[in-house]
Amino acid sequence: QQQVKQSPQSLIVQKGGISIINCAYENTAFDYFPWYQQFPGKGPALLIAIRPDVSEKKEGRFTISFNKSAKQFSLHIMDSQPGDSATYFCAATTLGNEKLTFGTGTRLTIIP
Amino acid sequence: DTAVSQTPKYLVTQMGNDKSIKCEQNLGHDTMYWYKQDSKKFLKIMFSYNNKELIINETVPNRFSPKSPDKAHLNLHINSLELGDSAVYFCASSHRGFYTGELFFGEGSRLTVL
Repeated sequence: QQQVKQSPQSLIVQKGGISIINCAYENTAFDYFPWYQQFPGKGPALLIAIRPDVSEKKEGRFTISFNKSAKQFSLHIMDSQPGDSATYFCAATTLGNEKLTFGTGTRLTIIP
Repeated sequence: DTAVSQTPKYLVTQMGNDKSIKCEQNLGHDTMYWYKQDSKKFLKIMFSYNNKELIINETVPNRFSPKSPDKAHLNLHINSLELGDSAVYFCASSHRGFYTGELFFGEGSRLTVL
């Protein structure tokens, strides 16, 4: 059972553009929503995370928007750069559970 | 100094063989995990250990046996390898007492079963 659905599967954005990746979850017990970034040949690494008590969190060019009623959250990458080319995973968990449920991943390619 | 290190990075083996992957973390974390990433990049948890005690065991075949000799090490032994076991296996760690949803991953061990 896929509890976190992620789209699109792949995304090509021009340099300087905005990259948007969307996720939807089913389990209302989830209370922490991290995004991980994975470069080829490397393990995933935490990029940014949000709790459901806020609707938006921004760190530099990366912003998470969260819609609790719709059970959806999204990652926006502003001024996308070639170095942002990677696979992005949304995830969800219940704090205290330690089990991260990952989305299916989005391969982002930033072209010059 | 690598925070979460796995060995070997690559394994190529025949069906039916047994293989092991080792993982060590020097972050002082008390919880370690094994994740499997298939060819479609899907990441799925397999096991989790906290202070050498198994706390998460997803529906993984009995051919997979994790072992945690101490809280800094978590090894994965796979018996009677099958073609479908081909994947990248990631070790990860976190601190249970201060769990924030952040896992620290190793660089992965790519297993190819021929």
